Formats: sequence, structure tokens, C-alpha cells
Amino acid sequence: QQQVKQSPQSLIVQKGGISIINCAYENTAFDYFPWYQQFPGKGPALLIAIRPDVSEKKEGRFTISFNKSAKQFSLHIMDSQPGDSATYFCAARPGSARQLTFGSGTQLTVLP
Amino acid sequence: DTAVSQTPKYLVTQMGNDKSIKCEQNLGHDTMYWYKQDSKKFLKIMFSYNNKELIINETVPNRFSPKSPDKAHLNLHINSLELGDSAVYFCASSLPQGQNTEAFFGQGTRLTVV
Repeated sequence: QQQVKQSPQSLIVQKGGISIINCAYENTAFDYFPWYQQFPGKGPALLIAIRPDVSEKKEGRFTISFNKSAKQFSLHIMDSQPGDSATYFCAARPGSARQLTFGSGTQLTVLP
Repeated sequence: DTAVSQTPKYLVTQMGNDKSIKCEQNLGHDTMYWYKQDSKKFLKIMFSYNNKELIINETVPNRFSPKSPDKAHLNLHINSLELGDSAVYFCASSLPQGQNTEAFFGQGTRLTVV
């Protein structure tokens, strides 16, 4: 049973456009929602994270929007650049645990 | 100065062999993990260790045995390798729950069983 559902599976965006990746979860015990970025041949690296007491968090061109009632959160990449081309994973973790439950990943391609 | 380092980066072996993957972190974290990434890039937790003690063991065949000689190291030994074990294995580490619990991942070990 997939606890964190991520969409789309792949996304192609023009340079300068906005990339949006969505995730939904069922487990209401989740209280930490990070996004990870993974380049080919590398391990995932934390991009940005949010806790459910805020509805939005922005770091540079990256923004997480969080909707607690809908149990959904999304990553917005503004002014997308070719260097943003990577696989993006949403994840979630309950307060009682350390390990992350990952979404299935989104392969983002930003065309020059 | 790699934070989480894994060796080897690539491992090609025949079915039935036994192999080990080593992981070391120099971040001073007390919790370490093994994740498996399959061919569809899906990441799934396998094991979690806290201060050398196993705290999570997901549904993983008992051919997989983690060993933590100290809190900076978590090795993964795999017996009787099968074709389905082919994947990328990631080691990760983090601080205790309740603190800034960002998980840092190693570069991964691509295991190919032939």
C-alpha cells in the first residue's frame, strides 16, 4: 500500500516555466514533509521541507504548498532551469518514527 | 569530506554469491538507514539503526543482514543473491527524532546480479 502518492510520473517544462509536482497522503500521523532532489548517479538530497503548522514555505525558486485538510502538498519550481532537470521525490514521516516514506518520484525535464 | 560514503559504488555479481556494502557517516548522526531504489526509482526503507541497535526491519528477506559495528557505520550483507536483488542501495543517516531530522544520503551502490 503506497502511503504517499505522487504525480505526475514525468513532467516536461520549458525554461522559465513553472513546474508543479503533487503529493497526497493518508496517514494523519505524518508531521514532516520533505522534498528530495535526485540527479542521475547521485543520492537524494533534501531540497525543502515543511511541517503541517504552516501552509506554505518558500526557499528561492522552490515553494511547498501544504493543505492539511485535503492531505495534499505540492512543490512549485518557479522560473524552471535546465539545471533543475532531475527526479523529485516527496516524502513524509510520522512524529513517532525516523524513517521516510517516499512518493514514487517525478522525472522533471526542463527544456532549454 | 563526504558526509555519507558507501562502497562500492558498483557491484556486479553472480546469483548465489554473498556480498557486502559498506557505509560510513562522519556527521555525528546516531541513526542510519538502508533504502532500496528499484528500477522504477521507487525508494523504500529496508532497515533503520539507532546507536547500533536495529529499530526498523521492514519486510526484507532474511538473506539481508545489516551490521552496525559503531554508530558511524552500517554495513549491509546479502547472502545467496538473487536476480531480484538488483537495485540501487542507499545508505542514509539523520539526527534523532525531534531535532532537525534531515536525512543525508550516500551516493548509492548499484548492485547487478547476473
